[in-house]
Amino acid sequence: DAKTTQPNSMESNEEEPVHLPCNHSTISGTDYIHWYRQLPSQGPEYVIHGLTSNVNNRMASLAIAEDRKSSTLILHRATLRDAAVYYCILGGTGNQFYFGTGTSLTVIP
Amino acid sequence: DGGITQSPKYLFRKEGQNVTLSCEQNLNHDAMYWYRQDPGQGLRLIYYSQIVNDFQKGDIAEGYSVSREKKESFPLTVTSAQKNPTAFYLCASSIERLGQGRENYGYTFGSGTRLTVV
Repeated sequence: DAKTTQPNSMESNEEEPVHLPCNHSTISGTDYIHWYRQLPSQGPEYVIHGLTSNVNNRMASLAIAEDRKSSTLILHRATLRDAAVYYCILGGTGNQFYFGTGTSLTVIP
Repeated sequence: DGGITQSPKYLFRKEGQNVTLSCEQNLNHDAMYWYRQDPGQGLRLIYYSQIVNDFQKGDIAEGYSVSREKKESFPLTVTSAQKNPTAFYLCASSIERLGQGRENYGYTFGSGTRLTVV
C-alpha cells in the first residue's frame, strides 16, 4: 500500500497562506492524491484531490510535483475554522484509503 | 440532502456486552467502510464492503462483525471479544468504479460514534 509522509504539526497566523506538504515517493501511476481534514470529534471531510495537474477549488489548492512524489495543500488565507488535522491520502486499488496521523494545523489569531 | 448517518453519537457499553453501531447512507454508494480512531491516532480500517452481501476484513477486524444486507446500511457489531473497544468509530461510503483509468472519488464520512466501555 502506498504510504504518505506528513509533518506532525504546523502553525500559521490567521489570514496568512498555509502550505501543508506531503511526500509520497512510492505513488503509482494511477493513484490519485486526496486531502481530507478532520475537526475534533467529527468525521473527516473532503478537501481536494488530483492526479497530475494542479487543482483549485473553493476550499484550497493542490500543487503536485512534476514527478508526483510530493504534493502541497495550499490554504490561501488561514482562518480559525481551518484549524484541524489534515490527511494526505493516496487512492489505491479497491478504493481503500489508508490514513496516517496527518498534520495538526494550529491557526494563531 | 444526501449523506451518511451514524447513530448513536455516544454509546456506553458494559464489559462483556455486544453493541451494534448503525450506519445508513442515501448517496447510492456501492462501497462502505468502518474505521476506528483512538486519541491522537489516525484511522484504522475494521471492515469494508464493496457490494451487498459481501464484505472483507480490514487491518483490525478481530472482535468486530458486520453485515451488508442492504445497499444503504452497514451496521458494525462490537463483540465482547474486542478487548479494548473504547474508541471513536467512523463509517464512510464511496462510489466504486471499476475498469481502467478509474478515478477514486473519495469518501463521505459520517459524524462518528464514540463508544465507551464502563
